[in-house]
Formats: sequence, structure tokens, C-alpha cells
Amino acid sequence: ETGVTQTPRHLVMGMTNKKSLKCEQHLGHNAMYWYKQSAKKPLELMFVYNFKEQTENNSVPSRFSPECPNSSHLFLHLHTLQPEDSALYLCASSQEAIIQGLAGGTDTQYFGPGTRLTVL
Amino acid sequence: DAKTTQPPSMDCAEGRAANLPCNHSTISGNEYVYWYRQIHSQGPQYIIHGLKNNETNEMASLIITEDRKSSTLILPHATLRDTAVYYCTSGTYKYIFGTGTRLKVLA
Repeated sequence: ETGVTQTPRHLVMGMTNKKSLKCEQHLGHNAMYWYKQSAKKPLELMFVYNFKEQTENNSVPSRFSPECPNSSHLFLHLHTLQPEDSALYLCASSQEAIIQGLAGGTDTQYFGPGTRLTVL
Repeated sequence: DAKTTQPPSMDCAEGRAANLPCNHSTISGNEYVYWYRQIHSQGPQYIIHGLKNNETNEMASLIITEDRKSSTLILPHATLRDTAVYYCTSGTYKYIFGTGTRLKVLA
């Protein structure tokens, strides 16, 4: 496997279910990201992890719970979701998350194919 | 909020150059400009990035103005497979993707 992989690719769940999305990167990167993309809307940054530490939570509801056990794996645990949470969930990785841009370095992001989530 | 502005849509004839503009007037001196594209329902794909010099790779060229407040992504010979939404991100807000430019390459 190369690049960034996401499983499952498609998920249908009820509002009372608990499920998890998995992301794995094979690029040796230290930063990982979750994005949400609703129909006809821009990508919304949800969470940022840098060296396994969460550095950004973009006011995401607590029914979304991220987990980053190591720099290669990122999970998004889902529980009691709402129909409006139906969207494409994208994972990305980069060498390092330079949030403030102070270092002036580059951190090109590489995205996975996404998980298409439908909440009934 | 996105700190870049792009036209919502553009058309380009197949085989012609596609020039996609982006304004990033709040960019600081050491912050890069990044371009990505997203083909329908797929994950965004990195295209190119630059600081102040023009850059070229196998996918595209990037022209950054001298004051660094805007840039143009150039696809020199657009094909139908280049039909996608193109995003420009920069600076502190480089993880924030706006609405991008929907490029349609016409046969």
C-alpha cells in the first residue's frame, strides 16, 4: 500500500450506531488531518494531529471523537450522529503540521480517497 | 474562513492553456502558496506550491506576483481529465480550503 488509505470507502449507519473510520498513511509523515465535505460545500477542517498530539479541533461536535495512536494511523469514532453529518470524510497527512506558518516550511498535504458516510 | 479568493468557475478548450487566478493578499513573507485539485468525489490531489519564484513541475506551472498577493496556476495543455475543482491555499490558513474554481475543460 502506498500513500494514504481510508476504510471503509462507504458507510451507512443509523443514528444510534457507533462506527469508526480508519486512515493509514504510508508516507512517513508526522501530521494527520480529518476533513468533512458536505454536498456542494467546501472542505471543512475538523482535527489536526501533529506528532500524535491534537493541535486543532475546529469546534467539532463531541459525537465525533478522533484518535491518533501513532503517526501512521488516525481514527474517527462516530456515535449518535445526525442525518446532516452525512458527508465525505477525508483524511490527509503531511510531513509536519506548521499551523502558524512561522517556520516558513512546507507541509504539502496528501489526501486519502475518503469515506462516503450516510446517516439514516 | 478561507483567506484566498478564486473565481467560482472557468471554462477552457481542450488543448489550450488554463490559467487559474488566486488572490492571497494576507500572505506573509515566509508563507507558501499551495494548489490542489479535486476531481469529482475523490480526495484532493496536490499540484504545486511556491514561495516567491515561479515554479514548474510535470503537472503545472505556478506564477506568483512580485508582491506575492496573487498567483496563477497554469495548465499548459488542458485535457478533459483536468476537469476538476482547483483550490488555492496559503499562509496560516493553508489548511482552510475555500470554494475553489470549478474548471470545465471543453472538447
